[in-house]
Amino acid sequence: DTAVSQTPKYLVTQMGNDKSIKCEQNLGHDTMYWYKQDSKKFLKIMFSYNNKELIINETVPNRFSPKSPDKAHLNLHINSLELGDSAVYFCASSTGGLSNQPQHFGDGTRLSIL
Amino acid sequence: EDQVTQSPEALRLQEGESSSLNCSYTVSGLRGLFWYRQDPGKGPEFLFTLYSAGEEKEKERLKATLTKKESFLHITAPKPEDSATYLCAGYSSASKIIFGSGTRLSIRP
Repeated sequence: DTAVSQTPKYLVTQMGNDKSIKCEQNLGHDTMYWYKQDSKKFLKIMFSYNNKELIINETVPNRFSPKSPDKAHLNLHINSLELGDSAVYFCASSTGGLSNQPQHFGDGTRLSIL
Repeated sequence: EDQVTQSPEALRLQEGESSSLNCSYTVSGLRGLFWYRQDPGKGPEFLFTLYSAGEEKEKERLKATLTKKESFLHITAPKPEDSATYLCAGYSSASKIIFGSGTRLSIRP
């Protein structure tokens, strides 16, 4: 049983295109996150949703727009892709809102911009 | 500014050779220190949460400890399957989670 699943696993596209990444969790968690992991392996939080409500919105270009249709799904849409957007994007989920409960991660979407 | 620093960046051990990974943190009002394991091409997998100085947790060959300034992940008699990147993260009183850049551990048979 996959707990946190992301699609697609790989995404190769041209600069300037618009793309989306989807995430679903079947853990019954109420909070979901998007992270960006750069080439130096730092994981940086981008957004967090609790019960479909945006609760964390870090300093991220407004080309990035998250959407949570329900508490089991969190999607990330990226407009006008740039070279610097190349990274691995991870979705995660946890319980209890913004809390010190551990987060469970998907296996990432590797985005490569040509 | 909140910060989490891990050392060493990479560590190569012989099978059975015990060692420790370090995670130094300056996180305001630390409410939890997490350890994760990340295999290539996979997402981080949760290992431990430590909540207060002096706390210790164990799982198989791994033991995590916490002081007021740092956390250690001790690996006893490691096996090749323990090879992975180990990440630590601090959770602050401002509800922020800050990750370190990880230690890449390789265990040679």
